[in-house]
Amino acid sequence: KQEVTQIPAALSVPEGENLVLNCSFTDSAIYNLQWFRQDPGKGLTSLLLIQSSQREQTSGRLNASLDKSSGRSTLYIAASQPGDSATYLCAVAYSGGSNYKLTFGKGTLLTVNP
Amino acid sequence: EAGVAQSPRYKIIEKRQSVAFWCNPISGHATLYWYQQILGQGPKLLIQFQNNGVVDDSQLPKDRFSAERLKGVDSTLKIQPAKLEDSAVYLCASSLGGVPYNEQFFGPGTRLTVL
Repeated sequence: KQEVTQIPAALSVPEGENLVLNCSFTDSAIYNLQWFRQDPGKGLTSLLLIQSSQREQTSGRLNASLDKSSGRSTLYIAASQPGDSATYLCAVAYSGGSNYKLTFGKGTLLTVNP
Repeated sequence: EAGVAQSPRYKIIEKRQSVAFWCNPISGHATLYWYQQILGQGPKLLIQFQNNGVVDDSQLPKDRFSAERLKGVDSTLKIQPAKLEDSAVYLCASSLGGVPYNEQFFGPGTRLTVL
């Protein structure tokens, strides 16, 4: 059974700081890994999707890496801003029988203080 | 391009009552998902449709939950009767197809409170 763990559960940083969020998964036989952002009372917004054959993806100030062999992914946020405050969720797509499933971590609650 | 639409956004009911949620996926998306997200947890898949057929409902509590996707577009998720532990956000997502490289796009969710 695939399990996804995110560390830390919560993180508070001053504005402008670079930060790293961590995600680990138990089964390396994945199709892809996705990072989402969730604002309070809102749905999920996809930030980055890394295919299993890729090592990293970048979008603006965000960079996500994937190391399948060690079962780890990191989300790097450069020059953090108060608007980055949200919960960040990591999800792994793996084969679940006849279809593929997304398994989510519990998320990291990020607060960026002005 | 319009996103995934869900309604209602909020619902408060008493235990043992019934409730229904509606989802309209992105136009052209064949695959539709319903997730349950309990406070402090990541979303958990309840059911997955490919067009109007069920692909996976292994984690759907079938004694009280039901879902349908008539005509392969809109979908409805129903809970009857509701229990206190059903309090959660119910998220609908859609993708072009049920293959791994297709991103899932999520709606804003319906927050259900069962008293």
